[in-house]
Amino acid sequence: DAGVTQSPTHLIKTRGQQVTLRCSPKSGHDTVSWYQQALGQGPQFIFQYYEEEERQRGNFPDRFSGHQFPNYSSELNVNALLLGDSALYLCASSLQRQGKETQYFGPGTRLLVL
Amino acid sequence: DQQVKQNSPSLSVQEGRISILNCDYTNSMFDYFLWYKKYPAEGPTFLISISSIKDKNEDGRFTVFLNKSAKHLSLHIVPSQPGDSAVYFCAARGITSGTYKYIFGTGTRLKVLA
Repeated sequence: DAGVTQSPTHLIKTRGQQVTLRCSPKSGHDTVSWYQQALGQGPQFIFQYYEEEERQRGNFPDRFSGHQFPNYSSELNVNALLLGDSALYLCASSLQRQGKETQYFGPGTRLLVL
Repeated sequence: DQQVKQNSPSLSVQEGRISILNCDYTNSMFDYFLWYKKYPAEGPTFLISISSIKDKNEDGRFTVFLNKSAKHLSLHIVPSQPGDSAVYFCAARGITSGTYKYIFGTGTRLKVLA
């Protein structure tokens, strides 16, 4: 059973460029959440996708956008990159149901903006 | 405003002894709490969780305690092993507009000394 997978593992971009990160959820999961983890910090919630719609959003500007596909995989897009966007981007998948909804994380994509 | 706080950035414990990691939160509406372990270059791995209606949950060497009146939870690892050396994050779940959202602490780096 494949867990959560993310691609690419590492990425280097320059300021002003755009980037797309990809995530495939754990088998059987229908919900994908994206997080940004800066050095020395905990993961910060960006947004969550369920049924191909953005269900909730954290305190991130509109430069951060996403998409969920019918197979539940997801993309995170960041436009007009800033130096401060350098971080580890984590994708987490879960199954929407009441009670215990545990998120399982992928290995992350490390983005460096120069 | 940090709703989930891990005030100890690091902790060192001798192998075989107990490790106690602490987490405080401010939002009394959080209903579910989780602990994740993170090794370098990997995504966080789910460890153990507890519902707000319970005060203790045990899984092998790992036990999580929840004190709702104090808005405090702790993770006990007994006995500690060198392989437990990692960064530990606590996370709390809140619900907004029918959607779950997770807030993470900043992490505690545990080092188990052989």
